[in-house]
This record gives sequence, C-alpha cells and structure tokens, in this order.
Amino acid sequence: GQQLNQSPQSMFIQEGEDVSMNCTSSSIFNTWLWYKQEPGEGPVLLIALYKAGELTSNGRLTAQFGITRKDSFLNISASIPSDVGIYFCAGPYTDKLIFGTGTRLQVFP
Amino acid sequence: DGGITQSPKYLFRKEGQNVTLSCEQNLNHDAMYWYRQDPGQGLRLIYYSQIVNDFQKGDIAEGYSVSREKKESFPLTVTSAQKNPTAFYLCASGWGLGEAFFGQGTRLTVV
Repeated sequence: GQQLNQSPQSMFIQEGEDVSMNCTSSSIFNTWLWYKQEPGEGPVLLIALYKAGELTSNGRLTAQFGITRKDSFLNISASIPSDVGIYFCAGPYTDKLIFGTGTRLQVFP
Repeated sequence: DGGITQSPKYLFRKEGQNVTLSCEQNLNHDAMYWYRQDPGQGLRLIYYSQIVNDFQKGDIAEGYSVSREKKESFPLTVTSAQKNPTAFYLCASGWGLGEAFFGQGTRLTVV
C-alpha cells in the first residue's frame, strides 16, 4: 500500500540547534498532518496543513506543505530537551489516515 | 471534558484468550481508527470506521475484530488468532479524513 517515508530516521542534536525533517510520498496528498509522540503516550497533533505551499507555525515549530503535494517539511527552531520524541507525518489516503515511518529526535543539553 | 479515552492502559492476557480494548470518544467524530505500534516502530492501521455500523480492514487486520454500533465507541478485540499480539494499541478519532486525535493507548502483553 501507500507509504509515507520520513527522513532522517533519527537525529541526535544539541540543545539550541535547529532541526529539519521531511516526509515524502509517491502520491499526491491534500492534507498533511504532523504529530509528536512521547514515550508511552499517544501522538499529539502539532500542525495541520491543507493547501499546497502553505507555511504554518506553532511556537518554535514550522511546517510546510510542499508545492508538488507529495512532500511536507517540519522545522523546529532552538531545540530544547522537551522536544525529545518521535515525530510522525500523516495524511488521508483513499478513505483512511496513514502515517509515516517517524523521525526520532534526541536532544542533548 | 471532551476527549478520547482508551482503557485499560495496561492489559495482560494469557495465550489463547481473546481480549477487548475499549475506545470511547465524546467529540462527535465520525471517523475512528485503531493502530498498532511495536517498539521503535511506526503506526500500522488495523481497522477503521468512517461511519456508524460500517468499518474497513486496514493493513494488518488478521487476528483482530471490531464493531461500531455507536458513534462514540469503537472496541477492538484481539483474538487468539493473532499470533503476536504484544504491542501498544492506539485509538484515534476525527472528522472524516482530516485531523485525528489519539487516546493514551493500551499496552497489551501476552503472558
């Protein structure tokens, strides 16, 4: 079935650094969603994107809907220790919601 | 408070037993989903429902069953046919094919 590929698979960064990750698909998506999951918890919705080229921010997080509609990007500025977690992209495909493979972020003080 | 509730948070099951995981939402969402997550892995879709009394198989439906008799509820039964049921199970709900919101998850362990 359709897959959403995220890269990088994992990141190890120092506190204060900026982070960039992306999500790509072989199919066109009309919505891109970004989630964060902390250990032992359910994913939490961070940002939703609905229009090609759209750039949306949520605090230090900024996400973009790629103009090809086959990709999306998430940036985190000035990372802090509580940014640690797994970041998933997601989107509706036919009649279901599918998720990317995830990017695991570790932040060191 | 509005939200999506999964229970129990931890569940232990003996091999060969069926077990049912609860998922309830009071957000008036039409769509509900069940995902399975294995350690260090992503979310794999088990079953989903876009409307009451209708549901569809996801990518890994074998060994699982669901029902959607009420809009608020979407219970998942892990049957004895599921060969490797130990995992973290996540339920989500949303409006159609837009944003979805997750419960806190149920960690199932087969002993």
